[in-house]
Amino acid sequence: QAVVTQEPSLTVSPGGTVTLTCGSSTGTVTSGHYPYWFQQKPGQAPRTLIYDTSTKHSWTPARFSGSLLGDKAALTLSGAQPEDEAEYYCLLSYGGVRVFGGGTKVTVL
Amino acid sequence: EVQLVESGGGLVQPGESLRLSCVDSGFTFSTYWMSWVRQAPGKGLEWVANIKQDGSEKYYVDSVKGRFTISRDNAKNSLYLQMNSLRAEDTAVYYCATEFRGYWGQGTLVTVSS
Repeated sequence: QAVVTQEPSLTVSPGGTVTLTCGSSTGTVTSGHYPYWFQQKPGQAPRTLIYDTSTKHSWTPARFSGSLLGDKAALTLSGAQPEDEAEYYCLLSYGGVRVFGGGTKVTVL
Repeated sequence: EVQLVESGGGLVQPGESLRLSCVDSGFTFSTYWMSWVRQAPGKGLEWVANIKQDGSEKYYVDSVKGRFTISRDNAKNSLYLQMNSLRAEDTAVYYCATEFRGYWGQGTLVTVSS
């Protein structure tokens, strides 16, 4: 099965910008992998922020955006807020199989 | 509004079985693929299995193939995960989720321990 890679941890200053990436061991991530991004805070269920590369949910703050960046999927947080401190996971599709990345712990400091 | 509620978790011994259920009360359940995802204590998310709208296609992570079976009953808006030959490493919170727009339930805890 494919391996999906994410940065283990990133730190961003309040109001700053940070980009999380999601790579695939099989090569370039494309829209055909239907990238998803999830946010999870301690003790809570995950919440979907972005699906199909760049589509936001109704509850997704405008400061989050999804894209393809080089050979990876990317989640950009612009104007970080203290409440954005969380674990972020990406998910890629390989035909019928889905694979999560290992998660990125984002600290707002 | 989509609402997914999982049930069926609990404490079982290694080698035993458990059946998880997920009921949707908020959307057209029969029109979407559905997934089970798990999270071991202190670990990341792991996709476990999914099933097509009509149940004709099912996929599994390698570690559960031959032990877990995903199924659905569209008439009951329900998703199931039959887990056999459980191991300690199956201990996790199990979530059901839609594969359209990614709606999640709150999860149910499965603990496999002697």
